[in-house]
Amino acid sequence: QVQLVQSGSELKKPGASVKVSCKASGYTFTTYAMNWVRQAPGQGLEWMGWINTNTGNPTYAQGFTGRFVFSLDTSVSTAYLQISSLKAEDTALYYCARDSPGGTFDIWGQGTMVTVSS
Amino acid sequence: AIQLTQSPSSLSASVGDRVTLTCRASQGISSALAWYQQKPGKAPKLLIYDASSLESGVPSRFSGSGSGTDFTLTISSLQPEDFATYYCQQFNSYPTFGGGTKVEIK
Repeated sequence: QVQLVQSGSELKKPGASVKVSCKASGYTFTTYAMNWVRQAPGQGLEWMGWINTNTGNPTYAQGFTGRFVFSLDTSVSTAYLQISSLKAEDTALYYCARDSPGGTFDIWGQGTMVTVSS
Repeated sequence: AIQLTQSPSSLSASVGDRVTLTCRASQGISSALAWYQQKPGKAPKLLIYDASSLESGVPSRFSGSGSGTDFTLTISSLQPEDFATYYCQQFNSYPTFGGGTKVEIK
């Protein structure tokens, strides 16, 4: 079946980096763009941006430029989110979500909790 | 960026109630609106796309309506499994989400 499986929870110290993976299965990876969505504890959903899985071209939402990098490894149908110079306020659940042809997010990963604490 | 305002932020209802949630856009977005359901500890689930189209597998008690700036999600007869937080999302331009409406048991 179509699914996105994300890597496990991470505990990092301020200033460190983290790389979250999102492995797709059940469909042709390069057919659909991939989005990243952040959800801070007890808060709503925030779109971080998307990556064109055909060209590898990323687009970042306001507030997610500089320390955030989207990348791909199409040979293993996997998208990545890397966050550098981690801050306490980066503590959140990070979701990958497939971009349906209509523009909605039809398939979601299970989420990866990133905790930044000294 | 287009802002989405959901109301109410929370509501209490009973099983069997008809429930209506509202989402207002800061500018016209035609029908480029989706609704998602999120249960605690789970990823969001797409319910409605293009303002009123039901995603495959979603129960028919869910329905969406609206266009332009004002949208509604209606649950015709609330079921125990429907207690969750609901988010609207626009995709007319770069995606944005509303703040959510939490539907709780009365």
